[in-house]
Amino acid sequence: GENVEQHPSTLSVQEGDSAVIKCTYSDSASNYFPWYKQELGKRPQLIIDIRSNVGEKKDQRIAVTLNKTAKHFSLHITETQPEDSAVYFCAASTKGNEKLTFGTGTRLTIIP
Amino acid sequence: DAGVIQSPRHEVTEMGQEVTLRCKPISGHNSLFWYRQTMMRGLELLIYFNNNVPIDDSGMPEDRFSAKMPNASFSTLKIQPSEPRDSAVYFCASSISPSSEKLFFGSGTQLSVL
Repeated sequence: GENVEQHPSTLSVQEGDSAVIKCTYSDSASNYFPWYKQELGKRPQLIIDIRSNVGEKKDQRIAVTLNKTAKHFSLHITETQPEDSAVYFCAASTKGNEKLTFGTGTRLTIIP
Repeated sequence: DAGVIQSPRHEVTEMGQEVTLRCKPISGHNSLFWYRQTMMRGLELLIYFNNNVPIDDSGMPEDRFSAKMPNASFSTLKIQPSEPRDSAVYFCASSISPSSEKLFFGSGTQLSVL
């Protein structure tokens, strides 16, 4: 089955700087890669996703890149703000939400 | 829409007791997923339903766990008998279809088995 590895497990960034979280996956057939943000004590929420026919996708301060050859994808957050502090999960799947395999999460802390 | 609704928010029980977690998906969503979240293993898919039918239960840890979806607006996850290692946050999530791109999570049930 699919195996998704995520790193780092914790990341502290000065407010205004950029943050990068990286994930690798094992199943070359995976074609859907969402990122979820989970604030303390709250539910995970989708923030951005990418499909394997696209190399990069941006949404304001958030971007995701995908390298299918190397089987890794990354989340980039620019101009970080305190409200970006949360746990971020990457995931991979061969078929949308079916059998989504999540990474173990990255706890991002933005230092004011 | 109020989103995916789970109950209870917190459950504390003693080892050996039966635990029932409940979920109401978003109206119109045909797929429902149960996830378990722990520090050690992160988010794990336990089972998912499509049109009330269980499609994949390979993530269910063992026979003590069972899940049902008697209709489009209600699902339960039952643990009988419960054990301390079942302590976790259990999330229910729904989507329009299994292949649709957005998964909507409920607020979760924090389960503590003493």
